[in-house]
Amino acid sequence: AQKVTQAQTEISVVEKEDVTLDCVYETRDTTYYLFWYKQPPSGELVFLIRRNSFDEQNEISGRYSWNFQKSTSSFNFTITASQVVDSAVYFCALHYTGGFKTIFGAGTRLFVKA
Amino acid sequence: DAGITQSPRHKVTETGTPVTLRCHQTENHRYMYWYRQDPGHGLRLIHYSYGVKDTDKGEVSDGYSVSRSKTEDFLLTLESATSSQTSVYFCAISETQVGLDTQYFGPGTRLTVL
Repeated sequence: AQKVTQAQTEISVVEKEDVTLDCVYETRDTTYYLFWYKQPPSGELVFLIRRNSFDEQNEISGRYSWNFQKSTSSFNFTITASQVVDSAVYFCALHYTGGFKTIFGAGTRLFVKA
Repeated sequence: DAGITQSPRHKVTETGTPVTLRCHQTENHRYMYWYRQDPGHGLRLIHYSYGVKDTDKGEVSDGYSVSRSKTEDFLLTLESATSSQTSVYFCAISETQVGLDTQYFGPGTRLTVL
């Protein structure tokens, strides 16, 4: 079965704290793609990153970093020195090539307090 | 920002009424998608299109139909709306198939069925 689990429903941190959002996926496919999207309070979905299953290099983009580990089927997202503007719902998603389908996790709501 | 608009942005309707949501893109992308977003479920694919007049079902297609007569427009129709179709509907586009490319999302349509 193809599945994405974001076990953290809500996380609350104080500004400048580091926070990691967990994403665990299940797939039988050897070729697949993983995504993170941000949904701020305004409601739109903002693309953050795409990673394919053959590229396990970690990625850093400013305060954002992603840790992809095939051995544990995880694709975790860390925000360093969080800011109030990071408050949003974050979705992890899996696209597998065995079927034309992108599976989204249920999302993690992040609150960053000033 | 990807040029995707959705109309209407908000709609309240009554059970049994037909409803059509419109997605319009200015990117000339081949692939278009309709998702619904519900609490605890993330986003779920309703239907998608891989070209003019070429459409297929997603995981939650019952009660929905789609049409694509032009590259830029993808219509989602609820033939007879039910309260279970109260949701936020997102349109997305991608230049190529997801995985090879990234999906970009429209602003969403909030539909309430009374």
